[in-house]
Amino acid sequence: GAVVSQHPSWVICKSGTSVKIECRSLDFQATTMFWYRQFPKQSLMLMATSNEGSKATYEQGVEKDKFLINHASLTLSTLTVTSAHPEDSSFYICSARSPRGGFYEQYFGPGTRLTVT
Amino acid sequence: GENVEQHPSTLSVQEGDSAVIKCTYSDSASNYFPWYKQELGKGPQLIIDIRSNVGEKKDQRIAVTLNKTAKHFSLHITETQPEDSAVYFCAASRGNAGNMLTFGGGTRLMVKP
Repeated sequence: GAVVSQHPSWVICKSGTSVKIECRSLDFQATTMFWYRQFPKQSLMLMATSNEGSKATYEQGVEKDKFLINHASLTLSTLTVTSAHPEDSSFYICSARSPRGGFYEQYFGPGTRLTVT
Repeated sequence: GENVEQHPSTLSVQEGDSAVIKCTYSDSASNYFPWYKQELGKGPQLIIDIRSNVGEKKDQRIAVTLNKTAKHFSLHITETQPEDSAVYFCAASRGNAGNMLTFGGGTRLMVKP
């Protein structure tokens, strides 16, 4: 199957600083990437949809000025958590969509655990 | 929009037994139903999917069935092994470029050796 990587796998930062997370599709081109947030023992919560070359579409309740998304190429999307606070601590997972047989399969990265102190 | 419900939320089986996880969906236009396995601290991994033009699909010890009339689909794992222990998520979408996956709440499967 298709491979999606994320970097870093974990990060600890201080309150008020910004953190950038990278998501790459390694063996396919992804016109669309997604960013999810997952709290412990819960399902995935879609934060935003990122289309290459255009502005991201954010889900209701997600602050676009806080979670900056850039999808500069067909293989790279980045999520920047600006002015991070402890409540932003979470597991962030990206996914990339790959067309196959007329459908769009979605492959996930390994996730990034963010801890804000 | 689509709503996907998944049951049970936790499932404990003995090694070698079968495990069945069920999902129902609300959008009759959904036509793509993937299943993901998520191990602790990792991202979800696509393990099998089914499209609405088939009723069943099998890949070694895992199989998925789909009942479009009743709007439910199930994951079957036979001869379970301890390494099958993980959280499993079902999802549904219309499968086209404009549609995103809607996930179920997840099932924590524990396989006891």
